[in-house]
Amino acid sequence: SQTIHQWPATLVQPVGSPLSLECTVEGTSNPNLYWYRQAAGRGLQLLFYSVGIGQISSEVPQNLSASRPQDRQFILSSKKLLLSDSGFYLCAWSRDSGLGNTIYFGEGSWLTVV
Amino acid sequence: GQQLNQSPQSMFIQEGEDVSMNCTSSSIFNTWLWYKQEPGEGPVLLIALYKAGELTSNGRLTAQFGITRKDSFLNISASIPSDVGIYFCAGQIGGSQGNLIFGKGTKLSVKP
Repeated sequence: SQTIHQWPATLVQPVGSPLSLECTVEGTSNPNLYWYRQAAGRGLQLLFYSVGIGQISSEVPQNLSASRPQDRQFILSSKKLLLSDSGFYLCAWSRDSGLGNTIYFGEGSWLTVV
Repeated sequence: GQQLNQSPQSMFIQEGEDVSMNCTSSSIFNTWLWYKQEPGEGPVLLIALYKAGELTSNGRLTAQFGITRKDSFLNISASIPSDVGIYFCAGQIGGSQGNLIFGKGTKLSVKP
């Protein structure tokens, strides 16, 4: 069976500091990978998605970047965090192709920028 | 861009009552998904619908893919306190990337 994990689960970072959130998927190959942000427990906003190693699509301009150094690894980064970067970040995966491409989410990472 | 209208935004019900929520759009979707999210956790998939008119159950949950492909509903029968959470619908228009459009969620509170 497939599993997805992301870490750290919670993070408190000062403004201007760097960020690295990591996500890995097990039990599948060549998945589509996603980073979402959720504010105040509602409203999932797609930040990045990737269909393969080194292939990143950005949905919204922002202070964040994503990388996919390996097939099942997806990293969300920032060089300098802003207060507005605080939120709940969710990694997700779906199969490369097939019916529905249902998305499955990780446990989430709480980021508080202070 | 495409939008999903999910309603109601929130519900306060008594334990044992049935619940109904829905999502509508002006766009046609190929897939409808329903997720539940509990505080501090990632959304968990409840039901996936892939064909217009499809009616699928998962325990006390039932969801349907509207015939017009522009809407979907989720029903919960005989609610219990652990049903508390935020329920999201999501629709996919197509494309191999599997990009979904999410509703804003329905927050469900259940009084024992």
